[in-house]
Amino acid sequence: RKEVEQDPGPFNVPEGATVAFNCTYSNSASQSFFWYRQDCRKEPKLLMSVYSSGNEDGRFTAQLNRASQYISLLIRDSKLSDSATYLCVVTPPSGSARQLTFGSGTQLTVLP
Amino acid sequence: EAGVAQSPRYKIIEKRQSVAFWCNPISGHATLYWYQQILGQGPKLLIQFQNNGVVDDSQLPKDRFSAERLKGVDSTLKIQPAKLEDSAVYLCASSFLTGGGETQYFGPGTRLLVL
Repeated sequence: RKEVEQDPGPFNVPEGATVAFNCTYSNSASQSFFWYRQDCRKEPKLLMSVYSSGNEDGRFTAQLNRASQYISLLIRDSKLSDSATYLCVVTPPSGSARQLTFGSGTQLTVLP
Repeated sequence: EAGVAQSPRYKIIEKRQSVAFWCNPISGHATLYWYQQILGQGPKLLIQFQNNGVVDDSQLPKDRFSAERLKGVDSTLKIQPAKLEDSAVYLCASSFLTGGGETQYFGPGTRLLVL
């Protein structure tokens, strides 16, 4: 089983739609969780951290369910500029290494 | 603030040749990472430095890959000899500290094609 698994998509949605991505992780002791965004042929950039209490940043909402080892990202009112690959990222239990484990990403295309 | 710099941006070599990539992290960032991203996959950590010491190189294929960060700032990643399966984007990232919570900032990457 992969450490971090995502539905690869692609998700093709119209502008204004709401879309949700899911991610599961295998290590129940994982410490921190993030969503990164990667535009085509560009480097990954942090979109938002994910907390157990859930967090929201504008049109983006991230949720963490530790019991189910599940992370989600919800995008409301999709914009053309949201088209990208969304990477679910997990860090292992605390220690000296700060290793990010990336999922393979979910590709989103927002259509006009 | 200047971001993470990498060079070259693109490299095409034949198998069994050698290649080297350079990274200059954000000023003041103690931790530097090299990732390999194969097409259609997420980045995979190859090696992590804290200052000039190696923190994690468990996924670095040490028979052909090497990396150094001699003065705790710039870093180089070398592949010798290259194989076809090394074709990928090599991403360098840096962060201020090592531990939980801080953001990693990525450079634009070096796209390597091995023929």
